[in-house]
Amino acid sequence: QKEVEQNSGPLSVPEGAIASLNCTYSDRVSQSFFWYRQYSGKSPELIMSIYSNGDKEDGRFTAQLNKASQYVSLLIRDSQPSDSATYLCAVISQGGSEKLVFGKGTKLTVNP
Amino acid sequence: DVKVTQSSRYLVKRTGEKVFLECVQDMDHENMFWYRQDPGLGLRLIYFSYDVKMKEKGDIPEGYSVSREKKERFSLILESASTNQTSMYLCASSSSAQGPRVYGYTFGSGTRLTVV
Repeated sequence: QKEVEQNSGPLSVPEGAIASLNCTYSDRVSQSFFWYRQYSGKSPELIMSIYSNGDKEDGRFTAQLNKASQYVSLLIRDSQPSDSATYLCAVISQGGSEKLVFGKGTKLTVNP
Repeated sequence: DVKVTQSSRYLVKRTGEKVFLECVQDMDHENMFWYRQDPGLGLRLIYFSYDVKMKEKGDIPEGYSVSREKKERFSLILESASTNQTSMYLCASSSSAQGPRVYGYTFGSGTRLTVV
């Protein structure tokens, strides 16, 4: 069973701080990695994707991937109260199935 | 942008009723998925489809069936609704042409189903 693990949180940070969200995955051949943001009562929306080892930056968001350690993270710089949401990590493997495997999510609260 | 539309935002049904949840996408995506999401359990895949008239069971198919008669529409059917099927139901779609590995899935807005 391919698994994606996230700390459920809640993670609480003050406004303006860096929020760090972590995810590990069990399938070594996983190739594509995604971070979704989900506000309470809403559906998930894709905010970042990453495929290669290293960092990928998009505005205040940075995704980091380390395939050797089977670890992917999301950093949110200058956190805002509007970033308060649950963040879902998702992984897709190479070949065969096109299914995303989701972690259970980390709830982030940014305090003003 | 891809749009995935779920027909109902909120739905209340009685135990034993047959319930239809509809999902329509407008970008000619081959792949469509139904999930349910419950607190502490995350997203769980119920059924998915890679093409018209094709369907495959996900992780929790019991008590559900699906129909995909047209490419743009994927319906989830609760044959006889029970209270343990009270949940948020999410539909998603993706393109087969490299889509999922590059763009992930696009989700609909969800249907919150309550079975009483």
